[in-house]
Amino acid sequence: EAGVAQSPRYKIIEKRQSVAFWCNPISGHATLYWYQQILGQGPKLLIQFQNNGVVDDSQLPKDRFSAERLKGVDSTLKIQPAKLEDSAVYLCASSLSGGTLSPLHFGNGTRLTVT
Amino acid sequence: KQEVTQIPAALSVPEGENLVLNCSFTDSAIYNLQWFRQDPGKGLTSLLLIQSSQREQTSGRLNASLDKSSGRSTLYIAASQPGDSATYLCAVRGDSNYQLIWGAGTKLIIKP
Repeated sequence: EAGVAQSPRYKIIEKRQSVAFWCNPISGHATLYWYQQILGQGPKLLIQFQNNGVVDDSQLPKDRFSAERLKGVDSTLKIQPAKLEDSAVYLCASSLSGGTLSPLHFGNGTRLTVT
Repeated sequence: KQEVTQIPAALSVPEGENLVLNCSFTDSAIYNLQWFRQDPGKGLTSLLLIQSSQREQTSGRLNASLDKSSGRSTLYIAASQPGDSATYLCAVRGDSNYQLIWGAGTKLIIKP
């Protein structure tokens, strides 16, 4: 089965610019997650979708970050405007369901550098 | 608030040695604990998942143990190989909000 696809792999922008990341989950996976992983730290959940509805966005900085999952398949994560501290790897993951036993499958991530 | 700690942050051992990676957590009210592997420039791959009622799980050369009462888990790797070089992360799922709380990982280097 094809894995979780993310693009782009790398992105370099200046602070105050905007950027968007794209994720295509494994076919049939209802749950989609966006994580932020700062160098040397574990991933931090930004948002969790169940189909096209938001389950948890409590740690999403809503003044600058937004995410959508139209039609319950692909998802985009946007940052506008970017800050230096947004430099991180943005990981997308999907699972068959949001259940606690449903394993997460991760994409390779997008490495964002904000200068 | 749950906190997950992995010590050491980095570990280098010669090929063929058996080794143990540590994970500790502050709140014993967990649903399960998972160990993941992350290769450079890649996402995370799930290795082992231990339910709160279990003591250990095994997969090939990997064995993960869980002591919920003391807030500790270990990942044992037998007969280490250069291909085992990666960062290993543990993540704890709480038994109330079911969120995954992650450790910062241990970067493992196996020297040929």
